[in-house]
Amino acid sequence: AQSVTQLGSHVSVSEGALVLLRCNYSSSVPPYLFWYVQYPNQGLQLLLKYTSAATLVKGINGFEAEFKKSETSFHLTKPSAHMSDAAEYFCAVSDRNYQLIWGAGTKLIIKP
Amino acid sequence: DTGVSQDPRHKITKRGQNVTFRCDPISEHNRLYWYRQTLGQGPEFLTYFQNEAQLEKSRLLSDRFSAERPKGSFSTLEIQRTEQGDSAMYLCASSLEAGPQHFGDGTRLSIL
Repeated sequence: AQSVTQLGSHVSVSEGALVLLRCNYSSSVPPYLFWYVQYPNQGLQLLLKYTSAATLVKGINGFEAEFKKSETSFHLTKPSAHMSDAAEYFCAVSDRNYQLIWGAGTKLIIKP
Repeated sequence: DTGVSQDPRHKITKRGQNVTFRCDPISEHNRLYWYRQTLGQGPEFLTYFQNEAQLEKSRLLSDRFSAERPKGSFSTLEIQRTEQGDSAMYLCASSLEAGPQHFGDGTRLSIL
């Protein structure tokens, strides 16, 4: 069975610092992987997706993620955090029927 | 606006009442998903449709919950005899069969 683990329910970084949100997955088939962002009282917005093309995926708002098969990881990074990045971030893996298996989410806190 | 639309955004009701939510997907998307999300958690899958066919329902979905997508376009989710534990955000998403899911802003249900 597929599963997703996001390390750290809360991550706090200073404005301008590197953002690193961790996601590890388990999958018996080559996965499709996704990062979504959720702002308060809103739905989820797709940040980026990996679908077996390039292993380094660039998304919106300056985020990118690298697929590492050997580590079964798909960590999300951004070189310089902005206050507007404060939100909850969800990693998800797609099963054979393209349904999403979700991580528990990581709340990103930006310190001024 | 060509995104996923959900109505209403907020619903407050008394315990025991029935409620119905509507979701209008992106027009060319043949898949439609319903999720439930409680505070601090990731989305919990409820059910999904491909066109008008309901292909899967979560084991967690009690008999009080029913969803329809009669013409393969908009969908409704009805909860009968609401309980306190039904308080949550109900999210709708749509996709092409092999594409990423696009979410609406959700309906927040509060049970008094």
